[in-house]
Amino acid sequence: GQQLNQSPQSMFIQEGEDVSMNCTSSSIFNTWLWYKQDPGEGPVLLIALYKAGELTSNGRLTAQFGITRKDSFLNISASIPSDVGIYFCAGLWADKLIFGTGTRLQVFP
Amino acid sequence: DTEVTQTPKHLVMGMTNKKSLKCEQHMGHRAMYWYKQKAKKPPELMFVYSYEKLSINESVPSRFSPECPNSSLLNLHLHALQPEDSALYLCASSQADGVEAFFGQGTRLTVV
Repeated sequence: GQQLNQSPQSMFIQEGEDVSMNCTSSSIFNTWLWYKQDPGEGPVLLIALYKAGELTSNGRLTAQFGITRKDSFLNISASIPSDVGIYFCAGLWADKLIFGTGTRLQVFP
Repeated sequence: DTEVTQTPKHLVMGMTNKKSLKCEQHMGHRAMYWYKQKAKKPPELMFVYSYEKLSINESVPSRFSPECPNSSLLNLHLHALQPEDSALYLCASSQADGVEAFFGQGTRLTVV
């Protein structure tokens, strides 16, 4: 089946630092979504991308839809403690939303 | 209102029990989903309902039985579960199949 690999698996950064993470697939996706999940909660939608090459921002978050349509990137600028959580990419394939393996972010004050 | 409401938040059930998980959305979304998430893993799709009809069943065991009574409600009926079915069960909805799905807070299910 479809598989989305995220890297890095986990990150430990200091408050104020910028963060970059990516998501890659062996298959083409027409839509990429980025979610954040806090422990014991449901994923919260951060950014949606619909077009190859598209760059979209949501506050301190910026995400890009890769030109090949096989990858996507998420950047967080000036991290703050509440950025802690697990970030999932998700790709739309055959009307199914397939989730990536996740990147766990820890932010230290 | 971008809220998907799931009840209960926590559920402990025995292997011989019958219980139901409930999900409600009032965003006018026509697609609703059940996902299962084990600890430290991504959500895995179980079922998709589109316009109140079951459109995708990801080979889920029959001890899980979904139901969509109307366009705002989605239930998941549970019967004769196994301890390995313990997980966070997430409901989601979207305007159309798969696009920009919004998730509820989940039901933490423990099977004893």
